[in-house]
Amino acid sequence: NAGVTQTPKFRVLKTGQSMTLLCAQDMNHEYMYWYRQDPGMGLRLIHYSVGEGTTAKGEVPDGYNVSRLKKQNFLLGLESAAPSQTSVYFCASSYPNEQYFGPGTRLTVT
Amino acid sequence: KQEVTQIPAALSVPEGENLVLNCSFTDSAIYNLQWFRQDPGKGLTSLLLIQSSQREQTSGRLNASLDKSSGRSTLYIAASQPGDSATYLCAVRPSGSARQLTFGSGTQLTVLP
Repeated sequence: NAGVTQTPKFRVLKTGQSMTLLCAQDMNHEYMYWYRQDPGMGLRLIHYSVGEGTTAKGEVPDGYNVSRLKKQNFLLGLESAAPSQTSVYFCASSYPNEQYFGPGTRLTVT
Repeated sequence: KQEVTQIPAALSVPEGENLVLNCSFTDSAIYNLQWFRQDPGKGLTSLLLIQSSQREQTSGRLNASLDKSSGRSTLYIAASQPGDSATYLCAVRPSGSARQLTFGSGTQLTVLP
C-alpha cells in the first residue's frame, strides 16, 4: 500500500513551457486535491475532484488545469509556466474525513 | 472567508519540556479540524483529527483540543523530544458538503537536545 504518490519529485521549467504532474492513490478514495505551498502562506487549494470524471476550482486555479480520467489518478497541468508558479505542489486524497498527502513536487520556473 | 492563524510562527524549546501550539480560525462553522506534521522537504503527515462535536483527541504524547465556539484549537506535546522538531500545521474543513481544507501557515518547532 503506497498511499499517495507524486511524479516527478523535482522539475525545472523555463517560462512558457508546459508540463503535467501526476498524482496516484491506491486507497480507493473518491476525493482528490491539488495544493501549492509557498513560504509564509501555508497550503492553498488549486483544484479538487469529488470522483472520477469530475473536477472543480479551488482558491487559486488560474494557470492550471486538471483531469481525473481514472479514480486513482489526478493530473495537474501547466500549459504555459510562469515564474509565479514556482512552488511545492502537494496532492492529497480523502475518504471519508481525513486527508492523506503525497510527498510533493518541487517546481522551479525560470 | 475562513482564515486560520497559527501563533507563534516559530518555537524553540529544550528537550523534555511540555509545550502548546495554538491555532485559531475565524468561522466556527467547521466540520472538523486536522493537525499535521511536516518535516523539511517532505509531505504532510496527519497527526490528529477532531470532529466538530468532539472536544479533544489523544495519540501518544499528543493531545489536541477544540473549542469551536471561540474558534480555537491547541496541540499539546508532552515531554518533547528532538525528533518532534518539525513544522506543525492545522487545517479546518467547513461544514456542508465541501471537503477542502483551509490551512494555517504553521508553527516551526525546534526541540533542543
